[in-house]
Amino acid sequence: GAGVSQSPSNKVTEKGKDVELRCDPISGHTALYWYRQSLGQGLEFLIYFQGNSAPDKSGLPSDRFSAERTGGSVSTLTIQRTQQEDSAVYLCASSFGIETQYFGPGTRLLVL
Amino acid sequence: SQQGEEDPQALSIQEGENATMNCSYKTSINNLQWYRQNSGRGLVHLILIRSNEREKHSGRLRVTLDTSKKSSSLLITASRAADTASYFCATVRSGYSTLTFGKGTMLLVSP
Repeated sequence: GAGVSQSPSNKVTEKGKDVELRCDPISGHTALYWYRQSLGQGLEFLIYFQGNSAPDKSGLPSDRFSAERTGGSVSTLTIQRTQQEDSAVYLCASSFGIETQYFGPGTRLLVL
Repeated sequence: SQQGEEDPQALSIQEGENATMNCSYKTSINNLQWYRQNSGRGLVHLILIRSNEREKHSGRLRVTLDTSKKSSSLLITASRAADTASYFCATVRSGYSTLTFGKGTMLLVSP
């Protein structure tokens, strides 16, 4: 079946602009995760959705970052007023329970 | 924050040789997972080992887990050039659902 998909693959934006990153998880997976990978910080957890529960936002680095998951499926990660330090690869993953997490190909964000 | 620490940071071997990567972590875990990443993009899941398991095999991969030492190892036997990638260990801490990653080991397999 189809894996996790993310769009866009690459995004170049100017400092101060808002960006939206999209994730389509594997059908039937109840959990969805966003991670960020940057040179300085490695792979970091950002936010986690499980079913209809309130999301775990403990990894979001600032209030400029937000995410939503509509209908228990597609998720959008929004970064407002982007800064150069937001440049990274943003990875989405989904899973059934706390077992194996399946990752998408990522969105490479470059803030100029 | 990074929980896992992989060792070595980089490993260079010849095709046919075995590659061993180690991972240490700090807290009690539910499970530990190994991932491979090519060219800085998507992570490919390799193997999951639960806290009550000590060893697991999958093809040319062998993973061990020592919860008393809070460490794990990944062995790739008979390596191939296509195994060249970065390898990450990640833990699901007890009571949590998210992955905490180590910094990774860069493996280079030369023909």
